[in-house]
Amino acid sequence: SQKIEQNSEALNIQEGKTATLTCNYTNYSPAYLQWYRQDPGRGPVFLLLIRENEKEKRKERLKVTFDTTLKQSLFHITASQPADSATYLCALDDTGGFKTIFGAGTRLFVKA
Amino acid sequence: ETGVTQTPRHLVMGMTNKKSLKCEQHLGHNAMYWYKQSAKKPLELMFVYSLEERVENNSVPSRFSPECPNSSHLFLHLHTLQPEDSALYLCASSQTRGLAGGRTGELFFGEGSRLTVL
Repeated sequence: SQKIEQNSEALNIQEGKTATLTCNYTNYSPAYLQWYRQDPGRGPVFLLLIRENEKEKRKERLKVTFDTTLKQSLFHITASQPADSATYLCALDDTGGFKTIFGAGTRLFVKA
Repeated sequence: ETGVTQTPRHLVMGMTNKKSLKCEQHLGHNAMYWYKQSAKKPLELMFVYSLEERVENNSVPSRFSPECPNSSHLFLHLHTLQPEDSALYLCASSQTRGLAGGRTGELFFGEGSRLTVL
């Protein structure tokens, strides 16, 4: 069955460092991959989308890579800030459908 | 403000009650979704409506009944729920290419309705 794996352990980093979160998937050939941010008790908020034919995407301090051979995406936050503390969700979509599959998310804590 | 409004934000109900969750989107989108989020688990897709037609029903028990009267409003009617149905219920919207064309781009989520079933 299709599966998305994100590190269930929380990631703790120091302010100013780069946070790197991993998303691995199996039994799936997604057309594109998305990253969302979710704060406690709130709905997810879209951050970035990367297509299967793209290797890397950047937006301000955020960078996403997508390796369809390794079936992996890496999500980087550079110069991290305490305000970046949240849960980050990876999501996959195929073409022509409405089924977005989400990972369980990785909790990030950035210490001042 | 995400453009997707859910009410109520919190709901406590007994197993024999009937209640409804409401979602309204102000983004001009034509696809709307219900997701369930339980603690430590991934979001689970429940229902999808595109152009007011239901296009996905992800094996959801009949005690959950969706309704989409127009492209801006979505309801989830609840009856005879079980304690394990307690969760955060999230509504989302997106643009779509049409009934069979899937959707384009990202999902816009509401803040969710926290449901507790006693």
